Amino acid sequence: EPEVTQTPSHQVTQMGQEVILRCVPISNHLYFYWYRQILGQKVEFLVSFYNNEISEKSEIFDDQFSVERPDGSNFTLKIRSTKLEDSAMYFCASSVVNMRRSPLHFGNGTRLTVT
Amino acid sequence: GQQVMQIPQYQHVQEGEDFTTYCNSSTTLSNIQWYKQRPGGHPVFLIQLVKSGEVKKQKRLTFQFGEAKKNSSLHITATQTTDVGTYFCAGWWYGNKLVFGAGTILRVKS
Repeated sequence: EPEVTQTPSHQVTQMGQEVILRCVPISNHLYFYWYRQILGQKVEFLVSFYNNEISEKSEIFDDQFSVERPDGSNFTLKIRSTKLEDSAMYFCASSVVNMRRSPLHFGNGTRLTVT
Repeated sequence: GQQVMQIPQYQHVQEGEDFTTYCNSSTTLSNIQWYKQRPGGHPVFLIQLVKSGEVKKQKRLTFQFGEAKKNSSLHITATQTTDVGTYFCAGWWYGNKLVFGAGTILRVKS
């Protein structure tokens, strides 16, 4: 069964550094998302992306965050200047069509540790 | 804002006992989805409910959507150790944003 793949599985970075988290969504999916989960807590929406632009973003997704689909397969999340509170598991997800009719398929996540 | 409240936060049951988790929204949902996350894993889609009063079953799991489309429940009959994990409801109102509840952690004692 097709999967969403994320790399790296674990990223350790120093506060103030830039990080890029990478995702390869399922190939025929059109909608892409980033969620994050601080250890033991809820899965929080960050951003959704469709047709090469952001369709929605949360209050968490401030100017330090950006997303990009640089080619036909990758979908990236960049955090410009990481803070300690950015430490979390970041999940990429994709769906065939929008949420009205289609579930989200999540990747295995990237655990980001900011020291 | 758009949010779903989910209770209980945590439930520890004896194998063979039943388990139920509840979700509630203050505003009418367009649909609600349920996901399961195993320890150390990622959320995996279980089911989507769309219609008012809808009831769907998957083996020992029963999902309900309230008549007003503001609440939902997941009931597991005769829990097994393979049921352990966190169960999330996720609400969709409109647009491209699925909002997750806080989740219910299920532990099963054998």
